[in-house]
Amino acid sequence: DQQVKQNSPSLSVQEGRISILNCDYTNSMFDYFLWYKKYPAEGPTFLISISSIKDKNEDGRFTVFLNKSAKHLSLHIVPSQPGDSAVYFCAASEDSNYQLIWGAGTKLIIKP
Amino acid sequence: DVKVTQSSRYLVKRTGEKVFLECVQDMDHENMFWYRQDPGLGLRLIYFSYDVKMKEKGDIPEGYSVSREKKERFSLILESASTNQTSMYLCASSLLGDTQYFGPGTRLTVL
Repeated sequence: DQQVKQNSPSLSVQEGRISILNCDYTNSMFDYFLWYKKYPAEGPTFLISISSIKDKNEDGRFTVFLNKSAKHLSLHIVPSQPGDSAVYFCAASEDSNYQLIWGAGTKLIIKP
Repeated sequence: DVKVTQSSRYLVKRTGEKVFLECVQDMDHENMFWYRQDPGLGLRLIYFSYDVKMKEKGDIPEGYSVSREKKERFSLILESASTNQTSMYLCASSLLGDTQYFGPGTRLTVL
């Protein structure tokens, strides 16, 4: 049973436009959500997170939105740059739980 | 900055060999994790440890074991490597239940 789902395996976006990556979850006990970025042959790097008490968190070109009623979060990248081409993973956790539950990832391709 | 290092970036082993993957973190983190990453499957948790000498099975522990004798070091052991263990292995650490920080990964090929 996949508790965190990224339904788009890949996404192609023109440079300079907005990239929107989506993530759905089923466990209503999740209260902390994270996005990671991964280049080939490297470990994932933390990008941005959001607590369930918020519905938006912004860091430069990256904004994460959380819709708790829909159990949906999204990552917006504006404007998209060639260096943003990578695999993006969303992850979620419950309070007092050490583990993160991961989505399968979305490969973002930024076209010049 | 958190630094997580892994002993090898690339490793090639033969079927049946014993394989050791080492991970070291320098931020005094309580928790350490071993994942494998395969295309289309995301990150799957093999084992994790929340304290020295403590270990917990993740989602896919079969064929693997772990050792945590010191807080900063977490080892993954493949007792008898098989071709279906060819994968990217990722180590991570975290403080409490917070953000996990990853090492660069080890690309293991089992022939």
